[in-house]
Amino acid sequence: KAGVTQTPRYLIKTRGQQVTLSCSPISGHRSVSWYQQTPGQGLQFLFEYFSETQRNKGNFPGRFSGRQFSNSRSEMNVSTLELGDSALYLCASRVAVRNEQFFGPGTRLTVL
Amino acid sequence: GENVEQHPSTLSVQEGDSAVIKCTYSDSASNYFPWYKQELGKRPQLIIDIRSNVGEKKDQRIAVTLNKTAKHFSLHITETQPEDSAVYFCAGPNRDDKIIFGKGTRLHILP
Repeated sequence: KAGVTQTPRYLIKTRGQQVTLSCSPISGHRSVSWYQQTPGQGLQFLFEYFSETQRNKGNFPGRFSGRQFSNSRSEMNVSTLELGDSALYLCASRVAVRNEQFFGPGTRLTVL
Repeated sequence: GENVEQHPSTLSVQEGDSAVIKCTYSDSASNYFPWYKQELGKRPQLIIDIRSNVGEKKDQRIAVTLNKTAKHFSLHITETQPEDSAVYFCAGPNRDDKIIFGKGTRLHILP
């Protein structure tokens, strides 16, 4: 099976812009979670989608949003970008809750 | 609340010695505890996990122990090797199955 894929791998934006990141889970996985990884804060949970519904949400401002499509692919959107949004954004898929999560390679977002 | 505390943040051990990383959690409903290893420039990968119905699980040089009463679980790596150098993350789901990660431990294996 192909692993979790994320596009784009690298992105450079300026403050105030918006960005959309994409994640394709492993075939058959219906759960997709998104994480923000920064050197000081580790892996911070953004949200999880399961069968097109948001199951859980982390403590991020409303500028961070996401959605999931019927084929389980997920997108994450960040509006009005701030310098502090520079990070590695990882998505992870799993077949069901309380199961192993498989991570994608991440999208490195740099906000100038 | 939902919190996973991980210690230490950095750990250096001599090659061949053992390394222990500890995590504590706050949500008593947590029942699945994975450990991930992230090598430099790579994605996190699961190395071992434990469920609340067992107290210990081993896989070759890696073991995880769980103490539900004290709400802590630990990763043990024996006979450490250079390729064990990486950042290790513990995680615990809360009652909503939201996976909460610890802040990571950077493990250095010294020659």
